[in-house]
Amino acid sequence: DAKTTQPNSMESNEEEPVHLPCNHSTISGTDYIHWYRQLPSQGPEYVIHGLTSNVNNRMASLAIAEDRKSSTLILHRATLRDAAVYYCILRDVNTGGFKTIFGAGTRLFVKA
Amino acid sequence: GAVVSQHPSWVICKSGTSVKIECRSLDFQATTMFWYRQFPKQSLMLMATSNEGSKATYEQGVEKDKFLINHASLTLSTLTVTSAHPEDSSFYICSANLAGGPYNEQFFGPGTRLTVL
Repeated sequence: DAKTTQPNSMESNEEEPVHLPCNHSTISGTDYIHWYRQLPSQGPEYVIHGLTSNVNNRMASLAIAEDRKSSTLILHRATLRDAAVYYCILRDVNTGGFKTIFGAGTRLFVKA
Repeated sequence: GAVVSQHPSWVICKSGTSVKIECRSLDFQATTMFWYRQFPKQSLMLMATSNEGSKATYEQGVEKDKFLINHASLTLSTLTVTSAHPEDSSFYICSANLAGGPYNEQFFGPGTRLTVL
């Protein structure tokens, strides 16, 4: 599986936008970029995914670089409830079982 | 969205006993489920892939005789930690793939915290 690299932690102020970067320089053409987040003592929660084009949903936006070697998860207005570990993951849909391998993720701290 | 449940949410047991954790897909059928383990302040580590009606596939370094996985139906997978020891204390999380289409979204359960005394 192609690897992703994320900063260990980031800090944001409440009500401000947050840009969480992810590098995936060895991404293949069949890899989808996924973002999950894990709140304390809970299972991971799906946030967003994309292949080539930027994506928006009610939770966040995903900006994908033109060469697909990096992406950025954008939380438009951080709230205290957004404090979590955010995982950027590549999933190759051609891989049998579609298992998800987690990296270290980015721990987001949100200050009131 | 699809919901995955786990039972129990937490369990405390004595060393040497076996503990069974259930993972259910509540409103969809899952031919494939996954089991993860997570230690404090660490990321999730994939333990095994559970396939309905067949043997589970274990990741390298995971003892299949210690972590027994059964996927007897399209909505239920169980993980049994046999002869549990304190080092097995961890947060166990299951997930299930929502099959269909070119992209199989993965949904995660809330986790089960196991404490072995």
